[in-house]
Amino acid sequence: QQQVKQSPQSLIVQKGGISIINCAYENTAFDYFPWYQQFPGKGPALLIAIRPDVSEKKEGRFTISFNKSAKQFSLHIMDSQPGDSATYFCAATLFSGGYNKLIFGAGTRLAVHP
Amino acid sequence: KAGVTQTPRYLIKTRGQQVTLSCSPISGHRSVSWYQQTPGQGLQFLFEYFSETQRNKGNFPGRFSGRQFSNSRSEMNVSTLELGDSALYLCASSLAVRQGNEQFFGPGTRLTVL
Repeated sequence: QQQVKQSPQSLIVQKGGISIINCAYENTAFDYFPWYQQFPGKGPALLIAIRPDVSEKKEGRFTISFNKSAKQFSLHIMDSQPGDSATYFCAATLFSGGYNKLIFGAGTRLAVHP
Repeated sequence: KAGVTQTPRYLIKTRGQQVTLSCSPISGHRSVSWYQQTPGQGLQFLFEYFSETQRNKGNFPGRFSGRQFSNSRSEMNVSTLELGDSALYLCASSLAVRQGNEQFFGPGTRLTVL
C-alpha cells in the first residue's frame, strides 16, 4: 500500500528523443508527487513535482503527467540531452501526523547517447 | 544558503565495528531524515528527526540509531557493522511543517564494510 512502483529500471535514449519514465501507486492518501534526479556521487535533487489535483505540469523540457483515476504518473523528458543522463526517482509523500513521509520508487537509470 | 553537508564523505570499516555519520541541515530546517541507498534496495528510509525527537522510523534493525541536537544537526550510528551495511547514506533536511515540503539531500557518506 505504501509502495511506489517505477519502470523501466533502465532506459537508453538517443539525443533529441523523448524519455518516458512511469510510476504507479496504490495509496490514495498520497498528496504530493516529486521527481528526483541523481547524478553519480551526488545526492538526489528535486526536479519537478505535482499535486494530485493537477493533470500535467511542465517545466522546460520536463513534464509530469498525472492520472489520478489510474493512480499513475509519468515523467517525460523532451529533446533528451547527454547531460540528462542520471538516475531518476519518482516519489510520493503522505502528510500525516504533522509531517511528510516520502516513499521512493526504485529508480530509473537513464542514458542519453549523443 | 549553504546546502546539506555530510561528514565524512567516505568511510571504510570492518565487520563488527561501529560508525557515526554526521549531517548538518540547511539553516532554518528543523527536520532531518536519513536514507540508505544500495543498488539492490534503492532508497530506503531509516528515520526522521524533528526538534530533537524521532518522529518516524523505517524498517531497520536496532543497530541503526540516530539523534538530533538542539541546533538541528543530526548523527546516525550503526553498531556491529555487517557486510550488508555497505551503502551510500543520505541525509535530507526540510522545513517539514506542511504538505509538500521539499527535502534537500546532502551528497551522502559512502560506507564500505570489509
